Amino acid sequence: DQQVKQNSPSLSVQEGRISILNCDYTNSMFDYFLWYKKYPAEGPTFLISISSIKDKNEDGRFTVFLNKSAKHLSLHIVPSQPGDSAVYFCAATSNTGKLIFGQGTTLQVKP
Amino acid sequence: NAGVMQNPRHLVRRRGQEARLRCSPMKGHSHVYWYRQLPEEGLKFMVYLQKENIIDESGMPKERFSAEFPKEGPSILRIQQVVRGDSAAYFCASSPPGLAKGNEQYFGPGTRLTVT
Repeated sequence: DQQVKQNSPSLSVQEGRISILNCDYTNSMFDYFLWYKKYPAEGPTFLISISSIKDKNEDGRFTVFLNKSAKHLSLHIVPSQPGDSAVYFCAATSNTGKLIFGQGTTLQVKP
Repeated sequence: NAGVMQNPRHLVRRRGQEARLRCSPMKGHSHVYWYRQLPEEGLKFMVYLQKENIIDESGMPKERFSAEFPKEGPSILRIQQVVRGDSAAYFCASSPPGLAKGNEQYFGPGTRLTVT
């Protein structure tokens, strides 16, 4: 059972434009959501998170939106840069410490 | 301030051999998590340990896999009698003492296990 889903395996955007990565979840017990970025042959790096009591969190070019009723979250990157090209993982936790990851979305930002 | 260290970075084992993967958490961190990433998939939780205690091993296969985090030294993920399906990237993460929020998990670079 895939509790966290990223339905788009890949996304390609032009430099300077907005990148929107989507994530859906099924478990209503999740209370914290995170986005990680991963380059090949490296470990995931934390990007941004959001608590279930909020609907938006912003950090520089990165904004995460949470729609609890739809069990959906999204990551917006504005403006997108070529260095943002990586695999992005959405993850969720119910305060147990254990992270449940989506399958990942490969973002390519074209110069 | 070194990050999470994992070694070896690459490990090749023949079927039936044992694999030992090591993880040294960040300084001051007492919680360790192991995740596995199979090809073309996301990371899957395996086990959560604190010093000398297994807190959650709900993601560990029932046989051949074990993990420990001794009082002294690194955390070890041990896979006995490896099979080709064990080929994957194994990531370790650590977090500080206290209730672990997801954003406090710092990941190591991973160990890529290849079973031939």
